[in-house]
Formats: sequence, structure tokens, C-alpha cells
Amino acid sequence: DGGITQSPKYLFRKEGQNVTLSCEQNLNHDAMYWYRQDPGQGLRLIYYSQIVNDFQKGDIAEGYSVSREKKESFPLTVTSAQKNPTAFYLCASSIAGPYEQYFGPGTRLTVT
Amino acid sequence: QQPVQSPQAVILREGEDAVINCSSSKALYSVHWYRQKHGEAPVFLMILLKGGEQKGHEKISASFNEKKQQSSLYLTASQLSYSGTYFCGTEGASSGSARQLTFGSGTQLTVLP
Repeated sequence: DGGITQSPKYLFRKEGQNVTLSCEQNLNHDAMYWYRQDPGQGLRLIYYSQIVNDFQKGDIAEGYSVSREKKESFPLTVTSAQKNPTAFYLCASSIAGPYEQYFGPGTRLTVT
Repeated sequence: QQPVQSPQAVILREGEDAVINCSSSKALYSVHWYRQKHGEAPVFLMILLKGGEQKGHEKISASFNEKKQQSSLYLTASQLSYSGTYFCGTEGASSGSARQLTFGSGTQLTVLP
């Protein structure tokens, strides 16, 4: 079955530690995205990538980093510089153009 | 600029209709609509492109008025399964090839038996 997988579903970290969230898709999509969602809020774009080895900052990129070494994979690192990292993180992918974005199940990150 | 959704919340009885609005302050190329159940990923409903086309499937339809930079989602004869938070995502007319969506803060829809 084609889809997007994110792991783990729940992640707990201590303040000051970097943490990497996984996102893999087997839909052969060129574009991939990372969003952050806080309780009762909409989705805010962190980073997006349209092709391998290229990515752009979204609206809230500070404190985050990404890589796109393979078409299928778009990992997100939450660094210690991110002031308030506790949130629900969603990865999405789409084919090029004005088409729907398919979302993964999300990773709920808690930093204490 | 984040689009503004209204209402923020709505409660319906099964079989009633609802309208959710999405308004942007900038010129738009497309509007996407998604529904999210609590703790789950958003699920795509439909996309409307510049041109004012109205789309729909079954009892959910939407319109896009590019001149007013507004879109509306229409839910007809609501079912219990329609409950969730509805988000509009807008793509600016000047975004070029980058498909960058800006999402509204959502409308929480509750359908009661």
C-alpha cells in the first residue's frame, strides 16, 4: 500500500537535546512538507522540498533543520535552539503542481 | 498571511446543513479543504483553482470567488461522520511553482444524533 509513514508516533525528549523525526513516502511524490500543529491551531509550514537535495524555509523554520537526500525521505531535526518544541508534527507529500497533499499520521513530540 | 475561517465552531443535528467560510487578504491561486479528526492526520476533501469553479462530491461541495478572495465549504444533510475540524489552505497567486499552503486556524464541526 502506498502512503506516508512517520515514526515514532510519540516522542519524549529532555530540553537541550536535538531530536530527528522520520518521514518516508512510497507515493513517488516530488514534493514533501513539514508542518507543526499546536493545540486548537492550524498547520504552520516549517520546511518544504520540491526535489531531492533542495528545500526551502517555511513560515517557522527557526530552530529546525531538514535534509532531502532521497526522494522518499524528508527527516526533520528539532534542534535545541527551538524555544517551544512540544507540538504535533505532520509530514505531507504531493506531486508537482496544485494537487492535494497527503499527510502522514504525525509525531507528537513532548520536550520537558 | 493566514486566511480567516468562520465560524470557529458549529454544532449541528444530523441532517442539518452547514457553511464554513475562508477569507484571504491576498490574491489566491487555489484553495484546499481538509478535515481532521482529533489526534489524526488531515484528510483531503477538495481543491479549487482560480476560475471560480464549484466542486463537490456527495453532500460536500465548495465554491471559490477569486475576486473576493473567499471560499466556502457546504455540508448538506450532515452525518455523524462529518464531525471534525475543517481547515482551508490557501495558495497565493504569486507563489509560482512552489506549492506553499497557508492554513486557517480551523472550524470545529460537531454533528449530534
